[in-house]
Amino acid sequence: QVQLVQSGAEVKQPGASVKVSCKASRKTFTDNYMHWVRQAPGQGLEWMGRITPNSGATNYAQKFQGRVTMTRDTSISTAYMELSRLRSDDTAVYFCAREGSLTWGQGTLVTVSS
Amino acid sequence: ENVLTQSPGTLSLSPGERATLSCRASQSVSSSYLAWYQQKPGQAPRLLIYAASSRATGIPDRFSGSGSGTDFTLTISRLEPEDFAVYYCQQYGSSQWTFGQGTKVEIK
Repeated sequence: QVQLVQSGAEVKQPGASVKVSCKASRKTFTDNYMHWVRQAPGQGLEWMGRITPNSGATNYAQKFQGRVTMTRDTSISTAYMELSRLRSDDTAVYFCAREGSLTWGQGTLVTVSS
Repeated sequence: ENVLTQSPGTLSLSPGERATLSCRASQSVSSSYLAWYQQKPGQAPRLLIYAASSRATGIPDRFSGSGSGTDFTLTISRLEPEDFAVYYCQQYGSSQWTFGQGTKVEIK
């Protein structure tokens, strides 16, 4: 079964950008969409968007349009999510999750604070 | 956007009791692409049920899912101490995933 390993916690200042990575353990990386979901402290799960690993095509939630960029590097089976113009309410745990198997990464805490 | 509404918000039960959690969708869920997750503090969501009623690998048979269309249910037949957690439903039948707001199952 595919496992997803995410990059470590980040602390950013307001207005900065953050880039989170998600590495898949198997060569089936291109077989399914990769989604990104976030969870603010004490809150529920919020879908941010998805990327088609084969083509790089993306679909973003309207809320994040213009601030989020999802990319991938198929040579190393890794997906990336970059969020720009960070605000304090972007403080959250960010998860990648693979469609098909519904496998999730362990999460990456992003703290936005001055 | 297919909005998922879970009820109740909190369920207070004792170990050994039966838990019934509801998830209602604003639109029919395509091909019953409805999943249930369990989440404990500091952990990623754990997949319990996919395709509305199929248990994920390693999930005990006290967890069962049912439903179709717009109404879905997760049942925990006899609560074990480790089952007290927050549960989310999710639809993954469209290009945009959506989640319910969660049901907290707490010890009475």
